[in-house]
This record gives sequence, structure tokens and C-alpha cells, in this order.
Amino acid sequence: NAGVTQTPKFRILKIGQSMTLQCTQDMNHNYMYWYRQDPGMGLKLIYYSVGAGITDKGEVPNGYNVSRSTTEDFPLRLELAAPSQTSVYFCASIQDSSSYEQYFGPGTRLTVT
Amino acid sequence: AQSVTQLDSHVSVSEGTPVLLRCNYSSSYSPSLFWYVQHPNKGLQLLLKYTSAATLVKGINGFEAEFKKSETSFHLTKPSAHMSDAAEYFCVVSDGGGSNYKLTFGKGTLLTVNP
Repeated sequence: NAGVTQTPKFRILKIGQSMTLQCTQDMNHNYMYWYRQDPGMGLKLIYYSVGAGITDKGEVPNGYNVSRSTTEDFPLRLELAAPSQTSVYFCASIQDSSSYEQYFGPGTRLTVT
Repeated sequence: AQSVTQLDSHVSVSEGTPVLLRCNYSSSYSPSLFWYVQHPNKGLQLLLKYTSAATLVKGINGFEAEFKKSETSFHLTKPSAHMSDAAEYFCVVSDGGGSNYKLTFGKGTLLTVNP
């Protein structure tokens, strides 16, 4: 049982490039989340999904897109990378709203220059 | 709407002395409250959670927190700090349910433990 896995661990992008951050969980969790963490700011919710085929915006969705075609995978897409997207990105999952604890992946550190 | 305020961005203690990390919350409903810990360059780990059962919650590694509704607080304590406790701690609130289940994070408190 690997839990929540994220790839890549590190990435450097040039302004205007695009990339996809991968997130996979093997716990059959329905709810999945993407956060970004900036120094001194805690974690901000980007997008979340309550099941395959269902996604919704969080607090800071601009510049990102997501899809949820399967229960296991929840990729985050950056279409036109900007320096403001330099951050550490965490994916998380939870079985449902009564389960309480979110399980976090190890994070992806992204730098846009 | 829900929000969390961690009252100290940085707390420094000596090894063996008590730890107090302060957290106040705002919530429209009966909240669920959590403390997460993040060690340097690591992911987040759940320390403890309050979900409307006992108001004094015990977590891992000797930490505990007390839910005080009248003060809208959920402070994290530990009687005796250990060097391995040095990390960043996040107070987190959720008051949504169903398809609206989301967590709101505080900005974090960095705990430094001096030998």
C-alpha cells in the first residue's frame, strides 16, 4: 500500500512552458485535493474532486486545470507557467467526508524561471 | 466561512521544557479541528484531531490539544520538548460535509528546539 504518490519530486520550468503534476492514490479514496504551499502562507487549496468525473475549484485555481477520469489519479496541469507558480505542490486524499484524516503525498517542488 | 489563526509564526523552546502552540478558529458550524506537523522537506503528518467527541485530544509523540468552544481555541501542547519535535505545525479546520468537505490551513508555526 503506497498511499499517495506524486511525480516528479522536483522540476524547473521556463516561463510559458506547460507540465502535468501526477498524483495517484491506491487507497480507493473518493476525495482528492491539490494544494500549494508558499513560505509563511500555509497550504492553499487549488482544486479538489469528490469522485471520478467531478472536480471543483478551490481557493487559488487560476492558472491550473485538473481532471479525474479514474478514482486513483488526479493530475494537475499548468498550461502557461509563470514565476508566481513557483511553489511546493501537495496532493491529498480522503475516503469520504466522515473519514476526517487527509493523507498527503510527499510533494513536488516546482520552480518557474 | 471558516478560518484559522495561528498566533505565533515562530516559537523557540529549550529541550525538556513545555511546548505551547496557539490556534484560534472561526467556523459557521461545529468544526472538526486538526494539527498537522511537517518536518523539513517532508510531507504533512496528522498529529491529532478533534471531531466533537472528547474536548481533550491526545495525539502522537506526546502532543495533546484542548478544544475550547467558548474561546474558539485549539492550542497544541506537549509537557517536554524533544529535539525531534523541531518542525512546522499547522492548525487546520473543516466545517464542511459531503461534497463541500475541505480543509482550511493556518499559516503555520515554526517550532525550534534548543539543546
